[in-house]
Amino acid sequence: DAGVIQSPRHEVTEMGQEVTLRCKLISGHNSLFWYRQTMMRGLELLIYFNNNVPIDDSGMPEDRFSAKMPNASFSTLKIQPSEPRDSAVYFCASSPRTSGGTDTQYFGPGTRLTVL
Amino acid sequence: DAKTTQPNSMESNEEEPVHLPCNHSTISGTDYIHWYRQLPSQGPEYVIHGLTSNVNNRMASLAIAEDRKSSTLILHRATLRDAAVYYCGTLGGSQGNLIFGKGTKLSVKP
Repeated sequence: DAGVIQSPRHEVTEMGQEVTLRCKLISGHNSLFWYRQTMMRGLELLIYFNNNVPIDDSGMPEDRFSAKMPNASFSTLKIQPSEPRDSAVYFCASSPRTSGGTDTQYFGPGTRLTVL
Repeated sequence: DAKTTQPNSMESNEEEPVHLPCNHSTISGTDYIHWYRQLPSQGPEYVIHGLTSNVNNRMASLAIAEDRKSSTLILHRATLRDAAVYYCGTLGGSQGNLIFGKGTKLSVKP
């Protein structure tokens, strides 16, 4: 298995532009997590899905951020409009969600976003 | 959700054991304790997890206090490749998301 795939790996954009980050889950996994990592705040959970349904989006910073799962194997995280403070590394992770507390999350390599 | 606290950084010498502590004093009875590590420029990767008993795998050992309010990740012989940020977190059966701490940056000296 190729693992969790994220694209692009690096994104540089200007303030005000729309940014779309993409994530492909590991085949057979049915939970999907989006995280953001910065030096100041560390690793923060933004949103997670079970079986394509958003379960907890309390970590989404504001309305400029939105996430979708159009199908069971793919997710997008969109920022519109982007701001310099959105600069961070964004990770997605997938999990088989087999037995609750024992679930292991498999992280992708991350997308480094820079907003100028 | 159980909050975890960890030291910001620790140092170790190569080939010596390393004990990385984590406090999770508000953990509930059904929450599992998970450890992940993040190598430079990579995403976090799973290390080990446990509920009550101590656990061993090929990467590390996990020692869980009897009251479950703290745990210790043990690397038996640190190598230079173990230099990473180690995250402790909790995961319950009723919730889907890991609650990570701030992590401990481990430096390994040759």
